[in-house]
Amino acid sequence: DSGVTQTPKHLITATGQRVTLRCSPRSGDLSVYWYQQSLDQGLQFLIQYYNGEERAKGNILERFSAQQFPDLHSELNLSSLELGDSALYFCASSGGTGGTSINFGPGTRLTVT
Amino acid sequence: GEDVEQSLFLSVREGDSSVINCTYTDSSSTYLYWYKQEPGAGLQLLTYIFSNMDMKQDQRLTVLLNKKDKHLSLRIADTQTGDSAIYFCAESMLYGNKLVFGAGTILRVKS
Repeated sequence: DSGVTQTPKHLITATGQRVTLRCSPRSGDLSVYWYQQSLDQGLQFLIQYYNGEERAKGNILERFSAQQFPDLHSELNLSSLELGDSALYFCASSGGTGGTSINFGPGTRLTVT
Repeated sequence: GEDVEQSLFLSVREGDSSVINCTYTDSSSTYLYWYKQEPGAGLQLLTYIFSNMDMKQDQRLTVLLNKKDKHLSLRIADTQTGDSAIYFCAESMLYGNKLVFGAGTILRVKS
């Protein structure tokens, strides 16, 4: 158990809709990362927050946004969903801004129909 | 730019050693990681190595790093059927800190 929790586990929604994925980092971790895993793109970094502030941005679409709250949990908002957004979305956390142990949650499987 | 490459598939017999290889292009990589993903599951951090190290051993796992050739390997001793999974190599830098993943190596262990 990595200590990182994500909800929901599965999400099925229709094109054009908006969803929110939630992540609670491991206790004591200040950094939260979001990744997308799909068959054609593999594991892609989306965005990182550190102690409530955006720290790094990757291949995140404009239709997607994220935030980290004062209690350090994070939410990833996906809007105007397309079929191609169907993927596994992982949250990860680490203790600082730098490397060392980066632990992943179990993921949220999003299916857009 | 950053790129991480891995062979796609490895098949071994139970009890043999497995060696999964990875090459990366970014010489400023600071940390290199190995993650395991079982079917339908998340990513489990197996081990990581700092770029100033050549080797790291953790029970059945041995990580070797050749920084000159930008080559990383993961050796699993006495491979078991429970080791069957996809193994991802990843690199990161100290700051800015995104992980860049390889495509993953499917390890199949035959009993």
